[in-house]
Amino acid sequence: NAGVTQTPKFRILKIGQSMTLQCTQDMNHNYMYWYRQDPGMGLKLIYYSVGAGITDKGEVPNGYNVSRSTTEDFPLRLELAAPSQTSVYFCASSLGRRPMNTEAFFGQGTRLTVV
Amino acid sequence: EDKVVQSPLSLVVHEGDTVTLNCSYEVTNFRSLLWYKQEKKAPTFLFMLTSSGIEKKSGRLSSILDKKELFSILNITATQTGDSAVYLCAVDGNKLVFGAGTILRVKS
Repeated sequence: NAGVTQTPKFRILKIGQSMTLQCTQDMNHNYMYWYRQDPGMGLKLIYYSVGAGITDKGEVPNGYNVSRSTTEDFPLRLELAAPSQTSVYFCASSLGRRPMNTEAFFGQGTRLTVV
Repeated sequence: EDKVVQSPLSLVVHEGDTVTLNCSYEVTNFRSLLWYKQEKKAPTFLFMLTSSGIEKKSGRLSSILDKKELFSILNITATQTGDSAVYLCAVDGNKLVFGAGTILRVKS
């Protein structure tokens, strides 16, 4: 029962470096999400996808890019890392059906520090 | 734009107290409201509410939704130190949007 798998769990980046956070789910969910969580705060939506080939911006998309070439995978790309991107990143997925969806299932998070 | 507002932002109570956490929302194409508990790791699912007036209950936790007034409450009775956590409210419309959370600390 893998669910939602995120890698890596921890990463330190230097300012200006790039990296990709990986997220994969094995539940055949249509909807996938990327959130960031700063200390003492809630989850802010970065990007989301309602199906393969479809992505859309959330509340805080600047400095990030995503792609959704398959149902299973939803990688998040950071270009030119900045200290403001230091955060914990969560990937989540849900089935995406209407009228009633499932709850969102979360990965274990990636703690990213930019120095 | 979809919006979720939680109150209070933080709360300190003693073991045995009852607490009520609030969540109000504005969302396009409402599907459900969800409550999660977060303890220093990924959020864990508590409740999904889709209909007004129907209470969802799990042990000492319960929740209810008012779709006319656009809010939900999460009640925790006879609180324990293990209830200390961040409680997150989220609304599922065209996308899943979270509030800022309520930090609950239960003192022994």
